[in-house]
Amino acid sequence: EAQVTQNPRYLITVTGKKLTVTCSQNMNHEYMSWYRQDPGLGLRQIYYSMNVEVTDKGDVPEGYKVSRKEKRNFPLILESPSPNQTSLYFCASSFSGLGVMSSYNEQFFGPGTRLTVL
Amino acid sequence: QKEVEQNSGPLSVPEGAIASLNCTYSDRVSQSFFWYRQYSGKSPELIMSIYSNGDKEDGRFTAQLNKASQYVSLLIRDSQPSDSATYLCAATGYGGSQGNLIFGKGTKLSVKP
Repeated sequence: EAQVTQNPRYLITVTGKKLTVTCSQNMNHEYMSWYRQDPGLGLRQIYYSMNVEVTDKGDVPEGYKVSRKEKRNFPLILESPSPNQTSLYFCASSFSGLGVMSSYNEQFFGPGTRLTVL
Repeated sequence: QKEVEQNSGPLSVPEGAIASLNCTYSDRVSQSFFWYRQYSGKSPELIMSIYSNGDKEDGRFTAQLNKASQYVSLLIRDSQPSDSATYLCAATGYGGSQGNLIFGKGTKLSVKP
C-alpha cells in the first residue's frame, strides 16, 4: 500500500532530551516536507527536501534539523526540545516539487505525530 | 497582509446548498494554489490545485483563481454532511521555490442535514 508513515505517533518527552521523528514513504517520491500544526496558527512548514541531500528551510525551521540521506526517509530531529515545540507534526511527500503544475505535485500526508514537551 | 488568509468560520450551510470558501493572498506567494480538506483528527488531503486564472471543476468542487484580485475560492455544490471538515488554502512561496508551501489557517465548514 502506498503510504507515508511516521513514528512515533505519540510522544511525551522532557525539555532538552534529543528526539527524532521518523518519516518514510514507499512511493519513490522526490519531494518530502515537514509541517507543524498548532491551534490558531494553522499548518506551517518546517523544512522540505527536493531530493536526496537537498534540504531547505520552510517558515519555522528554528529548533529543528533534518537530513535526507535516502530517497524514502526524511527524519525530523529536535536536538534540544522545548515546550514551545509541543505540536502536531505532519510529514508529507509528492512525486515532484510543488511548483510543477501537474498532478505530480499532489502531496500525501502521514498520519501525524503528536509531540508533548514538558 | 498575511501571506495566505482565510476566514476561520465556522461556515454553516444546509445540506444540498453551495458552500463558498474564500482565500486571499499577498505578493509573497507564487503561482500554484491548493485546496486541502482536513477532517477532525486526520491528515490533510488534496482536493484541488489551480494555477491559472479562471475556474477549474472536479465533480462537485470548483476552484476559482483571480490573480488580479489575489483571491482563490472553492465552491462545493450539493454540500453533504460528509463535507463537514476544515478546508485549508495553500500557495507556493514566492521566488520560484518549488518547495515552500504556505497555508492559511483554514475555514471550518459544517453542513447541516
